[in-house]
Amino acid sequence: AQKITQTQPGMFVQEKEAVTLDCTYDTSDQSYGLFWYKQPSSGEMIFLIYQGSYDEQNATEGRYSLNFQKARKSANLVISASQLGDSAMYFCAMRDFQTSGSRLTFGEGTQLTVNP
Amino acid sequence: DAGVIQSPRHEVTEMGQEVTLRCKPISGHDYLFWYRQTMMRGLELLIYFNNNVPIDDSGMPEDRFSAKMPNASFSTLKIQPSEPRDSAVYFCASSYYRGKRTQYFGPGTRLLVL
Repeated sequence: AQKITQTQPGMFVQEKEAVTLDCTYDTSDQSYGLFWYKQPSSGEMIFLIYQGSYDEQNATEGRYSLNFQKARKSANLVISASQLGDSAMYFCAMRDFQTSGSRLTFGEGTQLTVNP
Repeated sequence: DAGVIQSPRHEVTEMGQEVTLRCKPISGHDYLFWYRQTMMRGLELLIYFNNNVPIDDSGMPEDRFSAKMPNASFSTLKIQPSEPRDSAVYFCASSYYRGKRTQYFGPGTRLLVL
């Protein structure tokens, strides 16, 4: 079974609007971490935001926020006020400490295109 | 602060040649990871080290691949002999054992084996 599922291969959004990228995960661990990375066309992997399973508040980093719904096992990334530079591939990843130790499991990614 | 450094950034070689990829992790980080990214298979973890010791090499595709970490500031991934199916982007990442253990990635090495 997929541990990380990103159901949107591609998403389009108008500049200055908000967009939500979906991520669902599967783990039996109680302690785990969820990460989002951005990969622009230049190829580098850029860390965006982290949510721990015990964190009571949703994580936020500037225009990025994470809509964490533990019971539904979802960790959706919300990008507010989209910019042209946000066009990139976005990966959701998880580390479940007991099962995988330090390994990260990545989803297949969502290609986001921001239209002017 | 310097991020993860990888070299070379691009490598073109012929089938059968030896390829060595290099990585310098972020200073103070004690975990180092090697990933491979292809269109077909996405991001795959090949191997990771903790305090220079290989912990999990279950992702290494076959004996042609080997990785070493002789000290805390340097690691190599070697492919010998290389094959066209090894063409991919190879990433190195490092993390610190405390807290979130966020992995920070290097810029990657684009390998093309002809």
